[in-house]
Amino acid sequence: NAGVTQTPKFQVLKTGQSMTLQCAQDMNHNSMYWYRQDPGMGLRLIYYSASEGTTDKGEVPNGYNVSRLNKREFSLRLESAAPSQTSVYFCASSEGLRAQSGYTFGSGTRLTVV
Amino acid sequence: SQQGEEDPQALSIQEGENATMNCSYKTSINNLQWYRQNSGRGLVHLILIRSNEREKHSGRLRVTLDTSKKSSSLLITASRAADTASYFCATRGSGGSNYKLTFGKGTLLTVNP
Repeated sequence: NAGVTQTPKFQVLKTGQSMTLQCAQDMNHNSMYWYRQDPGMGLRLIYYSASEGTTDKGEVPNGYNVSRLNKREFSLRLESAAPSQTSVYFCASSEGLRAQSGYTFGSGTRLTVV
Repeated sequence: SQQGEEDPQALSIQEGENATMNCSYKTSINNLQWYRQNSGRGLVHLILIRSNEREKHSGRLRVTLDTSKKSSSLLITASRAADTASYFCATRGSGGSNYKLTFGKGTLLTVNP
């Protein structure tokens, strides 16, 4: 099925460990995004990639890095995980940053940092 | 910072009733979108309304937009238990670097059988 695939679905990290969240889309979308969702906070944008080869900071980029590997894939890396990064992470894609269309979301990665 | 704010935070209704959720925002927008999120799942795009549109329909969904009041409403008619979910409004800015979607905190809708 066409859409956005995120891996892993669940992860538990110890403080200070690193990990990479993977995201891939098969809709030939130009733009990709990483959001985090915390209770009572809604979705907050971490990083985005308007097109292949570009990445930009969103609202809450501290403690994260991203790589737009190719048009399909956009990964999010936590270099040294902290308990404050416990959250549900969603990857999304869209036709383009200025397109008059909605985003397609992955099913999320539930991350716990202990 | 959050652009859209949904109201109410939670809504509980009986199956067959209509559900209305509201969204207010602060700055000028290019479009406003509504998404649904079932528990433990990702967000699903429902409907998009452009800043020059006032009303849009999609099946049992009706969205209105009042740019003078910077507000939107989502009406779900003849609700079903399967409509139980959180609903988010998201706004896309109209200029500069504000092209990304900014989401509100959502309205939790519970439809009781």
